[in-house]
Amino acid sequence: KAGVTQTPRYLIKTRGQQVTLSCSPISGHRSVSWYQQTPGQGLQFLFEYFSETQRNKGNFPGRFSGRQFSNSRSEMNVSTLELGDSALYLCASTKQGLAQETQYFGPGTRLLVL
Amino acid sequence: AQSVTQPDIHITVSEGASLELRCNYSYGATPYLFWYVQSPGQGLQLLLKYFSGDTLVQGIKGFEAEFKRSQSSFNLRKPSVHWSDAAEYFCAVGAEAGGTSYGKLTFGQGTILTVHP
Repeated sequence: KAGVTQTPRYLIKTRGQQVTLSCSPISGHRSVSWYQQTPGQGLQFLFEYFSETQRNKGNFPGRFSGRQFSNSRSEMNVSTLELGDSALYLCASTKQGLAQETQYFGPGTRLLVL
Repeated sequence: AQSVTQPDIHITVSEGASLELRCNYSYGATPYLFWYVQSPGQGLQLLLKYFSGDTLVQGIKGFEAEFKRSQSSFNLRKPSVHWSDAAEYFCAVGAEAGGTSYGKLTFGQGTILTVHP
């Protein structure tokens, strides 16, 4: 069974631009969660999508948004990029997004904002 | 709100030595607890998890962890470390008191493990 895939793996943008990251979950998984990982703040939860609906959201500004498609693939968008948005963005999938389920992580997208 | 603390930012051990990585959590009920490992530039891989029952859980790669409710701890152990165990280790909680916690893990700050030959 194929794992979670994320594209692109690496991205360089400049301040003020916007970026879209993509995540394809494991087949049969309908929940996708997104995390931001930085050296200073560690791993922080961004949001979770299930059946095309956002069910949970972390403490990030509105510049961070996402969506999920009917095939469970998810995208994350960051508008008006800031230097502090440089990070590794990870997505994870589970069947239902329940707390007791194991989250399976993708390799991440490394975003550098110049 | 729930929180996870990993007191040790960096641990260095010799190959073949035993290992214990500490994790303390703050949560009102019995949480769902996880240990993940991350190699440089990679995503996270699950080592083991605890939901209920036996407080000593076995995981992959020879790791085990013990849940101690009285100490709010979930420490990770390995009797003999291999050079390939060098990585960053994260403890995480998968539940939140009083509300829904769909798809949310709360992570500790991580412990970087260095293994000397």
